[in-house]
Amino acid sequence: SQTIHQWPATLVQPVGSPLSLECTVEGTSNPNLYWYRQAAGRGLQLLFYSVGIGQISSEVPQNLSASRPQDRQFILSSKKLLLSDSGFYLCAWRRLTRETQYFGPGTRLLVL
Amino acid sequence: QQQVKQSPQSLIVQKGGISIINCAYENTAFDYFPWYQQFPGKGPALLIAIRPDVSEKKEGRFTISFNKSAKQFSLHIMDSQPGDSATYFCAASGNSGYALNFGKGTSLLVTP
Repeated sequence: SQTIHQWPATLVQPVGSPLSLECTVEGTSNPNLYWYRQAAGRGLQLLFYSVGIGQISSEVPQNLSASRPQDRQFILSSKKLLLSDSGFYLCAWRRLTRETQYFGPGTRLLVL
Repeated sequence: QQQVKQSPQSLIVQKGGISIINCAYENTAFDYFPWYQQFPGKGPALLIAIRPDVSEKKEGRFTISFNKSAKQFSLHIMDSQPGDSATYFCAASGNSGYALNFGKGTSLLVTP
């Protein structure tokens, strides 16, 4: 069976500090990978998606970047965090031939 | 531009009642319509999904009704239970498959 992991689960960072959130998927190969942000009480905003190693598409220009160094690893980064980067970050994956996306447990980020 | 519009934003239902959440879309290329359930602090989990070749799909107490001509679909939760209290998201995707367009979510509270 497939499993998706995210870490850390919770993170408190000062403004201007760097960020690295990691997502890994087990039990499948060549998944499509996604990063979403969910502000408090709000919907899901797609940030990045990847169809393969080194292939990243950005949906929203912002202070964040993403990388996919390995087939089942997706990383969300920032060089300098802003207060507005606070939120709940969700990673998701899907099989190449199916539409259903499966979400990870999420990382709650608080920028102070 | 919000491609999937969801209502209501919040809903309070008594235990045993029927919860109904509605979604509407404009893009006729959409051909996959999932519903996700999200508990506080957790990632969304797929609840049920439908394709436009059927007008209704039922899984246990959860039913999706789909009206292709009206470009609307809805989630019905029969015999609602306090454990159903969560945020529900509808979504839609087209033949490109890579992206899910989410509604803004409905916060459901089922009172004892």
